[in-house]
Amino acid sequence: DAGVTQSPTHLIKTRGQQVTLRCSPKSGHDTVSWYQQALGQGPQFIFQYYEEEERQRGNFPDRFSGHQFPNYSSELNVNALLLGDSALYLCASSWGQGYRNGYTFGSGTRLTVV
Amino acid sequence: GQQLNQSPQSMFIQEGEDVSMNCTSSSIFNTWLWYKQEPGEGPVLLIALYKAGELTSNGRLTAQFGITRKDSFLNISASIPSDVGIYFCAGPGGSSNTGKLIFGQGTTLQVKP
Repeated sequence: DAGVTQSPTHLIKTRGQQVTLRCSPKSGHDTVSWYQQALGQGPQFIFQYYEEEERQRGNFPDRFSGHQFPNYSSELNVNALLLGDSALYLCASSWGQGYRNGYTFGSGTRLTVV
Repeated sequence: GQQLNQSPQSMFIQEGEDVSMNCTSSSIFNTWLWYKQEPGEGPVLLIALYKAGELTSNGRLTAQFGITRKDSFLNISASIPSDVGIYFCAGPGGSSNTGKLIFGQGTTLQVKP
């Protein structure tokens, strides 16, 4: 049974470009949350998608947007990339929206902005 | 906003030693979660605490929910090389069963065989 799958694993982009990261949730999960983890820091909540809608959002600018598809997979889009967007982007899936339902994290996408 | 502070930032210990780390907050949390992250992987939940004063074990790991609800502690007994990783505390960043978690900055543990 596959866990959470994220692609790509690594990515290098130039400042000002746009990027799309992908996440397939664990089988049986219907909710996807995205986190940004800067080097040496803990993960920071970006947003959560449930029933194809953004349900909660952290303190991130509108340059960060997302989408959830009918099969529960999700995309994270970042526009107008800044050097400070360089980080590990983690996807976490769960059955239902609450943290008590238990999150399964993927291994992340390492984004480097140059 | 809500913030979690972990100490120490890093630890370098000998195999077999016991380890203690803690997490504090300026605001009350009604849940404390402890995660471990190994290189190249996402965080994995170790222990969840839901009640002030609660003491919960998972093998050689023991965590406690502080009485003030503003702190939590994680102990690892008889450390082994596979305990290496970054340990994060986390708590809910909102209503009772919010989807948002607040993470501390982590305690990096290295174990010398």
